[in-house]
Order: sequence, then C-alpha cells, then structure tokens
Amino acid sequence: QSALTQPASVSGSPGQSITISCTGSRSDVGAYNSVSWYQQHPGKAPKLMIYDVSNRPSGVSNRFSGSKSGNSASLTISGLLAEDEADYYCSSYTRSSILVFGGGTKLTVL
Amino acid sequence: QVQLVQSGAEVKKPGASVKVSCKLSGYTLTKLSMHWVRQAPGEGLEWMGGTDPEDGGKIYAQKFQGRVTMTEDISTDTAYMELSSLRSEDTAVYYCTAGGWACNISCYTSWLDPWGQGTLVTVSS
Repeated sequence: QSALTQPASVSGSPGQSITISCTGSRSDVGAYNSVSWYQQHPGKAPKLMIYDVSNRPSGVSNRFSGSKSGNSASLTISGLLAEDEADYYCSSYTRSSILVFGGGTKLTVL
Repeated sequence: QVQLVQSGAEVKKPGASVKVSCKLSGYTLTKLSMHWVRQAPGEGLEWMGGTDPEDGGKIYAQKFQGRVTMTEDISTDTAYMELSSLRSEDTAVYYCTAGGWACNISCYTSWLDPWGQGTLVTVSS
C-alpha cells in the first residue's frame, strides 16, 4: 500500500490561509470518509486535528477545516498563527483494512 | 481524560527484540482499539498495526508481518508492542495510539487519538 501524497512544504504569512493537499486512490481516500489530519510539533507526539474528512475534535480551533473531493482531501488553515508552524500528516483507512499516512507537509509561517 | 503513558527509551543490538508498553488511564482497554505508529529520525509517520474494531483481531502492516506482535493485558489496561529481529532501520520513535471507529456495513478504524508520548528505540551494535 503506497503512502498518500502530500506536498513536502507549504508556507504562508500570519493571518493568511493555506491549504495542504492529500492525494490517494479509489482504494483509500476515494473509498471511505475516514480521512484524518494530524499536527506534529518538533519532538512532540502527533495531535488529531480533523477526523472523518471534516470533523474537528473538541478543543481544536475552527481555523482548521477539512474537505474531500474524489481521491483527494485537503486541510485548510485560516488566519495563520505562528503556533501553527508544524508538520501535518493526512491518513486514511484503506480497502486492505489498514491505515496509511501521507509523507507529511512542513508548514512554515513566514 | 484518556491518557497513554509509554515505557522508557531502549537501546538494542541488531537481531534482538524489544517490547514497548503503553499504560492506559482514564478509560478501559476493552473499549478501545489500540494501534502502533513509528517515526524514524527525520521521517514521516508509519502505521505498524492495530486492533480491528470489527472482530478484535490484530491487523499488521505487511512490512512488519512475522516480526511484530501486539498484545493487551486488560487486567492492567496496558498494551504492548514487541518487534523482533531488530535492524538499524528500526531505530525510531514508537507511538501507541487509540483508534476511533466508523461503522457502515462494518466497523473500521477511522482516526487515531489520543497518542502516547513516544518511546525511542535505538538499534546499534
């Protein structure tokens, strides 16, 4: 099972919005509404930011939103803050009954 | 509040085995499906395997089949991950995490939350 495809890096200025893409296939992203997104700061454990494509766990800012179209999903962060600078990973359940992650995207807040 | 606390760092020689523990508090292991994810230095997240919420069985990533064993002790609410025949490429931080379920015709793991703090396993001669 191949990893999902994410851009290696994205950047934006404080206050701006950015979008991170996550491209899979008909066997994972396209087959289930089970795309999730994780934020990871250096040296820390990942933190769930979005689950089931577009749902936010309690305590996650509404500046974070998710969507899906076909075999691709996206994470949008609006009103960028310095604290949003981190690595972001998407994940999906697959027809092979396993979970697969994207390669990760480094977000830089300029 | 559900918390996962993992055992401490390990240093192992090539060919040895390592067993990492993950103690659950604030909930009971019988109601969770536990998973393990690893991250090599400077690399991304890699799902190793976990419990299938549909039948409680273990599903392992093909890459680790035959080398990994995931177990749970419900009497102490502790999950374990044992990896054998270690090689240098297994040097990584290993995370335990709880799976959230989605159910349509059947139930499956849809997200992972919360996560343990991670355990660094170093494989070196």
